[in-house]
Amino acid sequence: GAGVSQSPRYKVTKRGQDVTLRCDPISSHATLYWYQQALGQGPEFLTYFNYEAQPDKSGLPSDRFSAERPEGSISTLTIQRTEQRDSAMYRCASSMGLAGTDTQYFGPGTRLTVL
Amino acid sequence: KNEVEQSPQNLTAQEGEFITINCSYSVGISALHWLQQHPGGGIVSLFMLSSGKKKHGRLIATINIQEKHSSLHITASHPRDSAVYICAVRFRPSIQGAQKLVFGQGTRLTINP
Repeated sequence: GAGVSQSPRYKVTKRGQDVTLRCDPISSHATLYWYQQALGQGPEFLTYFNYEAQPDKSGLPSDRFSAERPEGSISTLTIQRTEQRDSAMYRCASSMGLAGTDTQYFGPGTRLTVL
Repeated sequence: KNEVEQSPQNLTAQEGEFITINCSYSVGISALHWLQQHPGGGIVSLFMLSSGKKKHGRLIATINIQEKHSSLHITASHPRDSAVYICAVRFRPSIQGAQKLVFGQGTRLTINP
């Protein structure tokens, strides 16, 4: 596609439910990043993929968070047993190369609200 | 303590003023990004630089590697420049994961007509 897309754009869920967020990167891009952005704060790194490999997931806050990119294109971020503190904007970005030296293109984000 | 500090956190100015937003970081980096977050929430990459200076239209970004400091300047500011400006750094591989971007907290800029 022309840009990075994410779905859904808004998600409201009850505490304890599982949610899955989707990211569709720019089609030629090798690297995909997930970020969490709390209201009024800058984004914080969660994890990234080089194609389907996931070299760094050090930013995932707990083992309730997991991400996949099984075919090296679309990625999903799953949060199990959601908690209110998980409420945030979840942003995906992609970049062309593998070395992390390229511009990152950001998606519009998914705003997650956990009640 | 955040590894990337921006100042000021909020800035209000009149149309036409020269704007400077600052970013400082704690350890060696391989690259620094300036991003713009629109009022609607979208994030756009403005600059990526590892040395010297870059210019795009009315925007200028500079970086001083020795002082671990970068500035974003806006000349002839306009109300449409109102946004949150975010600095993000990629630390050198020997210090942290090469791919990870660490973000500042952002500077909220408001330009009044």
